[in-house]
Amino acid sequence: DVKVTQSSRYLVKRTGEKVFLECVQDMDHENMFWYRQDPGLGLRLIYFSYDVKMKEKGDIPEGYSVSREKKERFSLILESASTNQTSMYLCASSGALEVVSYFGPGTRLTVL
Amino acid sequence: QKEVEQNSGPLSVPEGAIASLNCTYSDRGSQSFFWYRQYSGKSPELIMSIYSNGDKEDGRFTAQLNKASQYVSLLIRDSQPSDSATYLCAAYNTDKLIFGTGTRLQVFP
Repeated sequence: DVKVTQSSRYLVKRTGEKVFLECVQDMDHENMFWYRQDPGLGLRLIYFSYDVKMKEKGDIPEGYSVSREKKERFSLILESASTNQTSMYLCASSGALEVVSYFGPGTRLTVL
Repeated sequence: QKEVEQNSGPLSVPEGAIASLNCTYSDRGSQSFFWYRQYSGKSPELIMSIYSNGDKEDGRFTAQLNKASQYVSLLIRDSQPSDSATYLCAAYNTDKLIFGTGTRLQVFP
Protein backbone atom coordinates (compact mmCIF):
# COMPACT_ATOMS: atom_id res chain seq x y z
CA ASP A 1 0.00 0.00 0.00
CA VAL A 2 1.08 3.52 -0.75
CA LYS A 3 1.92 5.42 2.37
CA VAL A 4 2.19 9.18 2.51
CA THR A 5 2.97 10.65 5.91
CA GLN A 6 3.00 14.23 7.12
CA SER A 7 5.04 15.51 10.01
CA SER A 8 2.20 16.86 12.13
CA ARG A 9 -1.58 16.42 12.30
CA TYR A 10 -2.13 19.70 14.12
CA LEU A 11 0.09 22.75 14.31
CA VAL A 12 -0.39 26.14 15.94
CA LYS A 13 1.94 28.97 15.00
CA ARG A 14 2.09 32.71 15.49
CA THR A 15 1.98 35.36 12.80
CA GLY A 16 5.42 35.95 11.34
CA GLU A 17 6.87 32.58 12.28
CA LYS A 18 8.61 30.40 9.73
CA VAL A 19 6.73 27.13 9.34
CA PHE A 20 7.92 23.85 7.87
CA LEU A 21 5.49 21.14 6.80
CA GLU A 22 7.08 17.88 5.79
CA CYS A 23 5.77 15.07 3.67
CA VAL A 24 7.33 11.65 3.09
CA GLN A 25 6.17 8.91 0.72
CA ASP A 26 7.46 5.37 0.66
CA MET A 27 6.48 4.27 -2.86
CA ASP A 28 9.34 5.77 -4.84
CA HIS A 29 6.89 8.15 -6.51
CA GLU A 30 8.31 10.80 -8.82
CA ASN A 31 5.50 13.32 -8.38
CA MET A 32 4.61 15.10 -5.18
CA PHE A 33 2.05 17.82 -4.51
CA TRP A 34 1.03 20.27 -1.81
CA TYR A 35 -2.58 21.41 -1.55
CA ARG A 36 -4.53 23.46 0.88
CA GLN A 37 -8.19 22.83 1.55
CA ASP A 38 -10.62 25.45 2.77
CA PRO A 39 -14.40 25.26 3.20
CA GLY A 40 -16.20 26.27 0.02
CA LEU A 41 -12.95 26.56 -1.94
CA GLY A 42 -12.03 22.91 -2.22
CA LEU A 43 -8.52 21.65 -2.83
CA ARG A 44 -6.15 24.20 -4.29
CA LEU A 45 -2.71 23.30 -5.60
CA ILE A 46 0.15 25.27 -4.06
CA TYR A 47 3.26 23.65 -5.54
CA PHE A 48 4.25 20.39 -7.14
CA SER A 49 7.41 18.58 -8.05
CA TYR A 50 8.21 16.00 -10.72
CA ASP A 51 11.68 15.15 -9.56
CA VAL A 52 14.32 15.87 -7.00
CA LYS A 53 15.22 19.56 -6.92
CA MET A 54 12.41 20.32 -9.38
CA LYS A 55 9.45 22.46 -8.44
CA GLU A 56 6.52 24.01 -10.24
CA LYS A 57 4.08 26.65 -9.05
CA GLY A 58 0.50 25.60 -8.68
CA ASP A 59 -2.52 27.87 -8.55
CA ILE A 60 -1.78 29.66 -5.27
CA PRO A 61 2.00 29.73 -4.63
CA GLU A 62 2.15 33.19 -3.06
CA GLY A 63 3.51 33.13 0.47
CA TYR A 64 4.86 29.59 0.13
CA SER A 65 8.02 27.88 -1.02
CA VAL A 66 9.01 24.23 -1.31
CA SER A 67 12.04 22.02 -1.13
CA ARG A 68 12.67 18.60 -2.56
CA GLU A 69 16.19 17.45 -1.77
CA LYS A 70 15.32 13.74 -1.72
CA LYS A 71 12.88 11.83 -3.86
CA GLU A 72 10.76 10.67 -0.94
CA ARG A 73 10.49 14.02 0.85
CA PHE A 74 8.71 17.22 -0.14
CA SER A 75 8.63 20.15 2.25
CA LEU A 76 6.33 23.14 2.25
CA ILE A 77 7.67 26.31 3.82
CA LEU A 78 5.74 29.33 5.00
CA GLU A 79 8.43 31.99 5.25
CA SER A 80 6.35 34.32 7.41
CA ALA A 81 3.07 32.79 8.47
CA SER A 82 -0.06 34.90 8.27
CA THR A 83 -3.56 34.31 9.60
CA ASN A 84 -4.92 33.76 6.09
CA GLN A 85 -2.70 30.70 5.84
CA THR A 86 -4.76 28.95 8.50
CA SER A 87 -5.96 25.88 6.63
CA MET A 88 -5.76 22.12 6.14
CA TYR A 89 -2.61 21.25 4.20
CA LEU A 90 -2.57 18.04 2.23
CA CYS A 91 0.39 16.36 0.60
CA ALA A 92 -0.06 13.85 -2.23
CA SER A 93 2.14 11.72 -4.44
CA SER A 94 1.85 9.79 -7.67
CA GLY A 95 4.04 7.68 -9.90
CA ALA A 96 5.51 8.98 -13.14
CA LEU A 97 3.19 6.96 -15.35
CA GLU A 98 0.04 7.22 -13.33
CA VAL A 99 -2.20 10.14 -12.63
CA VAL A 100 -3.78 8.88 -9.46
CA SER A 101 -2.70 10.83 -6.42
CA TYR A 102 -2.48 9.35 -2.94
CA PHE A 103 -2.94 11.71 -0.06
CA GLY A 104 -1.30 12.02 3.32
CA PRO A 105 -3.42 12.47 6.46
CA GLY A 106 -3.20 16.25 6.36
CA THR A 107 -1.89 18.94 8.70
CA ARG A 108 -4.35 21.37 10.19
CA LEU A 109 -2.40 24.59 10.63
CA THR A 110 -3.69 27.45 12.74
CA VAL A 111 -1.88 30.77 12.59
CA LEU A 112 -2.70 33.09 15.47
CA GLN B 1 -9.96 28.80 -16.24
CA LYS B 2 -10.06 25.04 -15.98
CA GLU B 3 -12.90 24.13 -13.64
CA VAL B 4 -14.61 21.16 -12.18
CA GLU B 5 -18.02 21.89 -10.73
CA GLN B 6 -20.12 20.00 -8.25
CA ASN B 7 -23.26 20.75 -6.30
CA SER B 8 -22.17 21.24 -2.69
CA GLY B 9 -25.25 19.49 -1.30
CA PRO B 10 -26.00 18.08 1.13
CA LEU B 11 -27.55 15.25 -0.80
CA SER B 12 -29.69 13.27 1.61
CA VAL B 13 -30.75 9.72 0.75
CA PRO B 14 -32.29 6.94 2.84
CA GLU B 15 -30.33 3.83 3.64
CA GLY B 16 -30.58 1.30 0.82
CA ALA B 17 -31.30 3.90 -1.87
CA ILE B 18 -29.14 4.88 -4.84
CA ALA B 19 -27.12 8.05 -4.38
CA SER B 20 -26.30 9.93 -7.57
CA LEU B 21 -23.45 12.43 -7.51
CA ASN B 22 -22.72 14.64 -10.49
CA CYS B 23 -19.81 16.65 -11.80
CA THR B 24 -19.16 18.78 -14.88
CA TYR B 25 -15.83 19.97 -16.22
CA SER B 26 -14.96 22.82 -18.52
CA ASP B 27 -11.74 21.71 -20.21
CA ARG B 28 -12.33 19.33 -23.10
CA GLY B 29 -8.66 18.35 -22.92
CA SER B 30 -9.23 16.56 -19.62
CA GLN B 31 -8.23 12.96 -20.05
CA SER B 32 -8.97 11.07 -16.86
CA PHE B 33 -11.45 11.44 -14.06
CA PHE B 34 -11.50 10.40 -10.45
CA TRP B 35 -13.83 10.23 -7.50
CA TYR B 36 -12.40 10.66 -4.02
CA ARG B 37 -14.25 10.17 -0.76
CA GLN B 38 -13.39 12.39 2.18
CA TYR B 39 -14.69 11.79 5.67
CA SER B 40 -14.89 14.77 7.98
CA GLY B 41 -11.42 15.63 9.30
CA LYS B 42 -9.73 13.05 7.10
CA SER B 43 -7.84 13.21 3.81
CA PRO B 44 -9.33 12.21 0.45
CA GLU B 45 -9.16 8.57 -0.59
CA LEU B 46 -9.56 7.35 -4.14
CA ILE B 47 -12.65 5.24 -4.77
CA MET B 48 -13.08 5.27 -8.56
CA SER B 49 -11.25 6.23 -11.72
CA ILE B 50 -12.63 6.39 -15.25
CA TYR B 51 -10.81 7.10 -18.48
CA SER B 52 -13.22 6.37 -21.34
CA ASN B 53 -16.84 7.06 -22.14
CA GLY B 54 -19.40 4.78 -20.56
CA ASP B 55 -19.83 3.08 -17.23
CA LYS B 56 -17.33 1.50 -14.90
CA GLU B 57 -18.53 -0.59 -11.99
CA ASP B 58 -16.72 -1.56 -8.81
CA GLY B 59 -18.85 -3.18 -6.15
CA ARG B 60 -21.58 -0.77 -5.12
CA PHE B 61 -19.99 2.07 -7.06
CA THR B 62 -20.51 2.95 -10.71
CA ALA B 63 -18.72 5.81 -12.40
CA GLN B 64 -20.15 7.23 -15.61
CA LEU B 65 -18.36 9.44 -18.13
CA ASN B 66 -19.77 11.36 -21.06
CA LYS B 67 -17.01 13.37 -22.71
CA ALA B 68 -19.33 14.93 -25.28
CA SER B 69 -21.40 16.45 -22.48
CA GLN B 70 -18.35 16.96 -20.22
CA TYR B 71 -20.15 15.15 -17.45
CA VAL B 72 -19.03 12.63 -14.85
CA SER B 73 -21.21 10.93 -12.29
CA LEU B 74 -20.91 8.49 -9.43
CA LEU B 75 -23.71 6.16 -8.44
CA ILE B 76 -23.68 4.46 -5.06
CA ARG B 77 -26.09 1.56 -4.82
CA ASP B 78 -27.53 0.29 -1.54
CA SER B 79 -26.28 3.39 0.26
CA GLN B 80 -25.13 2.90 3.83
CA PRO B 81 -24.73 5.42 6.67
CA SER B 82 -20.99 4.74 6.40
CA ASP B 83 -21.12 6.28 2.90
CA SER B 84 -21.89 9.65 4.49
CA ALA B 85 -18.95 11.80 3.45
CA THR B 86 -17.92 14.47 0.97
CA TYR B 87 -17.25 13.20 -2.53
CA LEU B 88 -14.69 15.04 -4.62
CA CYS B 89 -14.62 14.85 -8.39
CA ALA B 90 -11.26 15.45 -10.08
CA ALA B 91 -10.18 15.82 -13.70
CA TYR B 92 -6.65 15.27 -14.93
CA ASN B 93 -5.28 17.52 -17.65
CA THR B 94 -1.69 17.69 -18.87
CA ASP B 95 0.10 17.61 -15.57
CA LYS B 96 -2.21 17.94 -12.61
CA LEU B 97 -5.54 17.13 -11.06
CA ILE B 98 -8.23 19.79 -10.87
CA PHE B 99 -10.66 19.17 -8.03
CA GLY B 100 -14.26 20.18 -7.58
CA THR B 101 -15.35 21.56 -4.23
CA GLY B 102 -17.16 18.34 -3.38
CA THR B 103 -20.70 17.14 -2.69
CA ARG B 104 -21.67 16.23 0.85
CA LEU B 105 -23.68 13.03 1.00
CA GLN B 106 -25.82 12.14 3.99
CA VAL B 107 -27.30 8.65 4.24
CA PHE B 108 -29.93 8.39 6.96
CA PRO B 109 -31.14 5.13 8.53
